[in-house]
Amino acid sequence: QLQLQESGPGLVKPSETLSLTCTVSGGSISSSSYYWGWIRQPPGKGLEWIGSIYYSGSTYYNPSLKSRVTISVDTSKNQFSLKLSSVTAADTAVYYCARHGEQQLVSWFDPWGQGTLVTVSS
Amino acid sequence: QLVLTQSPSASASLGASVKLTCTLSSGHSSYAIAWHQQQPEKGPRYLMKLNSDGSHSKGDGIPDRFSGSSSGAERYLTISSLQSEDEADYYCQTWGTGVVFGGGTKLTVL
Repeated sequence: QLQLQESGPGLVKPSETLSLTCTVSGGSISSSSYYWGWIRQPPGKGLEWIGSIYYSGSTYYNPSLKSRVTISVDTSKNQFSLKLSSVTAADTAVYYCARHGEQQLVSWFDPWGQGTLVTVSS
Repeated sequence: QLVLTQSPSASASLGASVKLTCTLSSGHSSYAIAWHQQQPEKGPRYLMKLNSDGSHSKGDGIPDRFSGSSSGAERYLTISSLQSEDEADYYCQTWGTGVVFGGGTKLTVL
């Protein structure tokens, strides 16, 4: 059964870079032709797509975040990562990683990780 | 612009049925969507992919009480025989060159 687990600092200072990693177990990123994504949810609000990456490294980003986001993949560790630069309090959110559900396409998300809360505060 | 619109809230009684709506923006009525459930203090869970013709494919372990249907630009999630654990936020999601989520509907089971 495919499982995803987010990890990284729970507290980031304003203007710094938020860095998270998603570790995939129960399946291989490199042997499957799927896109992998990051989604966030500010406290009490809805879901916002951040961006997605293919196992080969091809990326799609949310235009509203594109200037600050970098998503990368490390197939040797079966992980993909998110970096969000110049963070402010508005970036405080639960961050989820997920796999897209259809091979070779940015599509629906299934499954999801459990999420990790990142707070931006000095 | 690809936008999904959901009513902020809905309610129905225990054991009854409820139909949640997700509306695609003009010009996008052929798009498929997905429905996700988010129970309190939990991460989202994929429920189903729903096509414009109403055909749908559910995720692993999703009960038969959950079904989907479509009409024009509207996509529906029907939950029958409501149980207390169905009280949750329900999000629709679609995709094109990127991913879009609806604002979510908070379902209260009375």
